[in-house]
Amino acid sequence: KQEVTQIPAALSVPEGENLVLNCSFTDSAIYNLQWFRQDPGKGLTSLLLIQSSQREQTSGRLNASLDKSSGRSTLYIAASQPGDSATYLCAVPLSNFGNEKLTFGTGTRLTIIP
Amino acid sequence: DTGVSQNPRHKITKRGQNVTFRCDPISEHNRLYWYRQTLGQGPEFLTYFQNEAQLEKSRLLSDRFSAERPKGSFSTLEIQRTEQGDSAMYLCASSPRPLDEQYFGPGTRLTVT
Repeated sequence: KQEVTQIPAALSVPEGENLVLNCSFTDSAIYNLQWFRQDPGKGLTSLLLIQSSQREQTSGRLNASLDKSSGRSTLYIAASQPGDSATYLCAVPLSNFGNEKLTFGTGTRLTIIP
Repeated sequence: DTGVSQNPRHKITKRGQNVTFRCDPISEHNRLYWYRQTLGQGPEFLTYFQNEAQLEKSRLLSDRFSAERPKGSFSTLEIQRTEQGDSAMYLCASSPRPLDEQYFGPGTRLTVT
């Protein structure tokens, strides 16, 4: 059974700092990994999807890396802004077709201090 | 492309009542997923469809839960005889093909009193 862990559960940093969020998974047979953002009481917004064959994916100030063999992914946020405050979730499907449901971590709640 | 929509956004019901939620996926997305999220947790998979066919149901989906996707377009999730433990955010997502990026709707927050 796939288990996804995100550490830390909460993080507060001053505005302008760069930061890294961590995601680890127990079964390395993943097809891809998706990072999401969730604002309080809202749905999920997809940030980045990184395929199992990729090592990095970038979008604006966000950079996601994937090390499938060690079961780890990181989300790097550059020059953080108060608007980045949200919960960040990572999720993975297993690699075989027919098993595409996402398994989520419990998220990292990020607060950017102005 | 207006994204995934869900209705209602909020539902308050008394224990024992039936409720039904609707999800409209992004047009031409043949995959549609339902997840449930409780406070402080990540979403948990409930069920998913390819077009109108329901391909998998989680063990979380008891006999009181049923989902349909007639004609392969919108989907409904019905909960019969609601219990307080059903209080959660119910999220719908769609995807254009298997194992592709999943796009989520705003969710329906259910409160059972």
